[in-house]
Amino acid sequence: NAGVMQNPRHLVRRRGQEARLRCSPMKGHSHVYWYRQLPEEGLKFMVYLQKENIIDESGMPKERFSAEFPKEGPSILRIQQVVRGDSAAYFCASSVSGGTYEQYFGPGTRLTVT
Amino acid sequence: GQNIDQPTEMTATEGAIVQINCTYQTSGFNGLFWYQQHAGEAPTFLSYNVLDGLEEKGRFSSFLSRSKGYSYLLLKELQMKDSASYLCAVRDLGDDKIIFGKGTRLHILP
Repeated sequence: NAGVMQNPRHLVRRRGQEARLRCSPMKGHSHVYWYRQLPEEGLKFMVYLQKENIIDESGMPKERFSAEFPKEGPSILRIQQVVRGDSAAYFCASSVSGGTYEQYFGPGTRLTVT
Repeated sequence: GQNIDQPTEMTATEGAIVQINCTYQTSGFNGLFWYQQHAGEAPTFLSYNVLDGLEEKGRFSSFLSRSKGYSYLLLKELQMKDSASYLCAVRDLGDDKIIFGKGTRLHILP
């Protein structure tokens, strides 16, 4: 499967725990985008990364959220001390470069905070 | 700032034609996208317009008027599997991120 991979597909965390969401871009893609989708809401941009660089994090909450895209391995979206309001679907998308128009989306991780 | 408006829900009949409108206000403009998203699934790319006019791709067509800040997605010969949300999204000039509207949920009736 050469598509964008995300894991886990479903994640349940209790309030105060940490959530780690992983995204492996399509082969040959070095640009990764994270989006959050709340129930009945549109996709909200969170962060745009290239390998080892955060290019744009203007959509990231100032606290508890962080993202990385190391030289080796998947991109990680980390949410510390989760709260119920973090329950959402988190989608990752990748593109071959920032200038190309098409982003390919992964299947998403559905985070439930209990 | 950026603002993207599209109807929340629409209903159409199998075999018919439906047009989903999208208006946007952005400080700059570098392309408009339409994505399809079935419930519980990832969005899939449908179309990209950066110049004015109509782009046709099979049963789906997308139109753009930059001067009016307006686009529409036209779906012909509707099928039940077209029941989904349709997301309008805009890329701002000089920006690589895409801003999405809230989506239009399309219901197809037999």
